[in-house]
Order: sequence, then C-alpha cells, then structure tokens
Amino acid sequence: DAKTTQPPSMDCAEGRAANLPCNHSTISGNEYVYWYRQIHSQGPQYIIHGLKNNETNEMASLIITEDRKSSTLILPHATLRDTAVYYCIALNAGNNRKLIWGLGTSLAVNP
Amino acid sequence: NAGVMQNPRHLVRRRGQEARLRCSPMKGHSHVYWYRQLPEEGLKFMVYLQKENIIDESGMPKERFSAEFPKEGPSILRIQQVVRGDSAAYFCASSPPSAGGVHEQYFGPGTRLTVT
Repeated sequence: DAKTTQPPSMDCAEGRAANLPCNHSTISGNEYVYWYRQIHSQGPQYIIHGLKNNETNEMASLIITEDRKSSTLILPHATLRDTAVYYCIALNAGNNRKLIWGLGTSLAVNP
Repeated sequence: NAGVMQNPRHLVRRRGQEARLRCSPMKGHSHVYWYRQLPEEGLKFMVYLQKENIIDESGMPKERFSAEFPKEGPSILRIQQVVRGDSAAYFCASSPPSAGGVHEQYFGPGTRLTVT
C-alpha cells in the first residue's frame, strides 16, 4: 500500500471549513484513499473514501486530484467536536484490508 | 443496529496473568480486525480474522498473543503472561463481507489494558 504524508498539525476556527491535505504520490491504480479520525482516546471513526472521483457524504467531502497523487478532506463547517487526529490511508482493493496508520494530522478547532 | 462492542472497557492485570479481550462485530459483519495503540503512539495492526480463519496475523507478537473468531460468539484476543509493555488500548473493528473491493471498518470503543 502506498505511503501517505500529512502535516502533523493544523488549526481551524469554529464554523469555518477545515481543509486537510494528504500526499500519496506513489498510489497505484487500484488503491483507494480512506480517511478516518480518532477523537481523543476513542475508537477510530470512518469518514469517507474514494478512488478517483470526488466524494461527499454527511460528514465531509473528499477531493482527489486528477493524477491521484494527493487529496484533500474538507469538513465544511468545523465544530469543536471535530477536534481529532485525522488519518489518510491508501488501501489496496484486494483481499487484505488491514489499515496501516501513519501519524495523521492533529486538527484543533478553536472557538 | 448496535455498533462494535468490546468488553471489558478497562482491564487491570498483574504481570504474569492472562488477559482476554472480547469483540462482538456489527450484525452481518464477518471480518474482524484487532489494532493496538501504545501510550502516546499510533495505531498498529495486529490481526485480521474471518469466521474460524486467521487471514493475516503479521502484526501479532510471536509469543504470548493469540486471536480467534469462532463460528459462534465474539472474537477473542488473548494475551498470556502479560508484561508491563502490553499496557495499551486494544481496538477491534469489523467490516461486512464483500465480493471485491474494500469496505470501511467500524471500530469499537476499545479495551484499555493496564498491567501492574
């Protein structure tokens, strides 16, 4: 599975959009981009995933560049409860689905 | 539909004792994963199981650790002769079966193991 690179930390004002970048320059054609988050000490939470098209759900939007070498997770109206560590993971659509976790981005949403 | 259940939520063991951690996947999910998070560290994959089969145990320590997911009942992560270094949060996740592609994993609240 491709390595991903994320900034270690980011800040965002409450009510504003939070844009979290992820680089995955070695991603292969059959690897999906998954986003999870972990709110302090809780179990990780799935957010969204995509292959090449942009995706949106009730939690967030995922924008994947045309060359698929990077992506951005967008939380459109961040709240204090969105303060968490966000993980971007590239995952092969094969039989083995284990998640390999990097260090993620620690997002602080400030009032 | 209840989420992934893990019990106990907190477990204290003395060095040398056994720890048994249980995970009940979401209804309809036949794939279970275990991850460990040491204090102030990231999550690490341990093992991936389907009913009655271990698919990938590449993240499991070679000794003292075992996992099972029987035909009936929860998945069990067993740690024999615990040591202080086993103190961590252990998270279980489940996902549904699929004909291809991948599926998101749903995580339980974790079991926090403290070895004294």
